[in-house]
Amino acid sequence: GAVVSQHPSWVICKSGTSVKIECRSLDFQATTMFWYRQFPKQSLMLMATSNEGSKATYEQGVEKDKFLINHASLTLSTLTVTSAHPEDSSFYICSANNRQGGLTDTQYFGPGTRLTVL
Amino acid sequence: DQQVKQNSPSLSVQEGRISILNCDYTNSMFDYFLWYKKYPAEGPTFLISISSIKDKNEDGRFTVFLNKSAKHLSLHIVPSQPGDSAVYFCAAYGYNFNKFYFGSGTKLNVKP
Repeated sequence: GAVVSQHPSWVICKSGTSVKIECRSLDFQATTMFWYRQFPKQSLMLMATSNEGSKATYEQGVEKDKFLINHASLTLSTLTVTSAHPEDSSFYICSANNRQGGLTDTQYFGPGTRLTVL
Repeated sequence: DQQVKQNSPSLSVQEGRISILNCDYTNSMFDYFLWYKKYPAEGPTFLISISSIKDKNEDGRFTVFLNKSAKHLSLHIVPSQPGDSAVYFCAAYGYNFNKFYFGSGTKLNVKP
């Protein structure tokens, strides 16, 4: 089956630093990737839709200057949390679908990245 | 490496009947399991979870059963309603390896 990986799996950083999280589709090309934020035992909140070769589409309430998304290739999307603060501490999960389109049913999820900001 | 599998991509049920969604996993070290519900064009919504130390958790019409020996969990929806039509994902989490593993989803269609 389709595999999506994330790196790193866990990162601890000081307040004010920037953190980059990578999301890779390992055995398929993903023209669209999605970034979610999750709090313990709560719903995944869609942050943005990342399209290869174009600007990401952010959901309402998500600061695009704080959460920078780059989808440079068909297998890689990155999320950079700039000037991270303790309230940014969370699980960040990406998903991808292997066909063009929007938020379709068939999504393959990455394992998540736990961000802890001290 | 698919550690969580949902082998049925779709399920169709009549309104008022029971819907049973299944999920299998391979790693006995998972600490808790979650079910998410997803409508088109929306992110998954948390539905119900169960700790690995329990075998059943109930919330209204939704009940999750965990069979650790079989490494199997199931979500029961009784009675099913047309508004339950969505894609359901199961997920597993382990504190030791600090990762989520999601199944590929089962599309439930509840017919009026």
